Parts: sequence; C-alpha cells; structure tokens
Amino acid sequence: QITLKESGPTLVKPTQTLALTCTFSGFSLTTTGVGVGWIRQPPGKALEWLALVFWDDDKRYSSSLMSRVTITKDTSRKQVVLTMTNMDPVDTATYYCAHTSRYCRGGNCASPFDYWGQGTLVTVSS
Amino acid sequence: QSVLTQPPSVSGAPGQRVTISCTGSISNIGAHYDVHWYQQLPATAPKLLIYGNNNRPSGVPDRFSGSKSGTSASLAITGLQAEDEADYYCQSYDNSLSGWVFGGGTKLTVL
Repeated sequence: QITLKESGPTLVKPTQTLALTCTFSGFSLTTTGVGVGWIRQPPGKALEWLALVFWDDDKRYSSSLMSRVTITKDTSRKQVVLTMTNMDPVDTATYYCAHTSRYCRGGNCASPFDYWGQGTLVTVSS
Repeated sequence: QSVLTQPPSVSGAPGQRVTISCTGSISNIGAHYDVHWYQQLPATAPKLLIYGNNNRPSGVPDRFSGSKSGTSASLAITGLQAEDEADYYCQSYDNSLSGWVFGGGTKLTVL
C-alpha cells in the first residue's frame, strides 16, 4: 500500500532555511503520471499548496512562494525534499506531503492528492 | 483569501442532506479543470473524498457525491452521520496562477 511520511525539524528560527523530507513507499516516482506534492496548513486555517514534482522531474511551485521554495526528488531513496528559505513566524504550519497520479481528459489534466502523509508541525520562533 | 470560495460552516441533523458549495472563476473551475474534495477529521490529515468532480475513491460511501456547473462545484452528503463531522475542502487547478488551489474549507457540524 502507498504510504508517505514527513520528517524534519519541528522548530526553526526566523530567517533560517527549512528542509523537510518526504519518505514514501508503495509506488515509484519513475512511473508515468505520478507526482509528490507538498501542502501546508497553519493552525486553524486552510490548506495551501506549495510545490509538486512529477515523475519526469517537471517541478511546479506556488506563485506566491516560488522565490523561497525548492522541491527535489531522489527516486532511488524514495524521497522528496522541500526546502523553504527565509522562514518567518507566519510559516508556522503543519506540512504534508501527498501522492498524486495525473490524468488528462477534455484537454485538461488533473492531479488529485489521493494519499497523504500524517503531517509534521513546524514552528517558526526565535 | 482563498481562490476557491466555500461557506465557513454548514450544519445538519443526523439523517439529513447537506451541500457544500465551492465557487471559483473562469481561470479554474470555469476553465473546465476538475474539482476534487477532501475530508479532514479533527487532528488528522486530509483524505480524498471525491475526485474528477463526481468520482468516489474505493471505500468512500455513496452518501457522498459531487457535481460541477459553470464556475462552481458542490459536495452533497446524504444520510448525515455523526462521523461526518469534519472540515471539507475543494481543490482545483488555476491557469492564471499556474498552480493547484484549495478552498477555504467548510466546517460541517452534525447537530
């Protein structure tokens, strides 16, 4: 079965760089259509998509965070890493990684997030 | 403010039917991008509930259904149960932002 798990620091200081790792099993990031994304959720607030990397190394970023976020994949280690620079207290959130399998119809493609990790709470504070 | 607009809260008694709306624009739902719905139970990760506007993943009860029309989509829950009390999010793709977008979430309370 497909599982994903996030790991990384639970506390970072303002201006520091955050690095989170998503370790997955049950699928390959070399399979056509497959991707892994990162989504975050500040306490009591809504979900926000951050970044997504597909099997062919196509990388997509949220336009509002593009200058601060990088996503990379290591298919042999079955890991996807998200780095976010210049962390601020407003970046305090639970960070989730999620699997997607892209499909296309009617000229458009879609990537629903069908399997999620448990999430990891990252607090930004001095 | 979220690109997709949902009501902050809805409620219903056990056994009743409730609907949750998701309003977008011509750059997302209106551009014929599919809408997906997620259920987030308290203190848990979101779970895919509906994909491709009206398709249920394996294991999701048929009490949950989705629809889409124009620049909006809806999630309907029939035969409301106490275990349905959760936050619900819609999600689509936006071509002006070139990215995936979520609604602001709707808290469902079962009275």
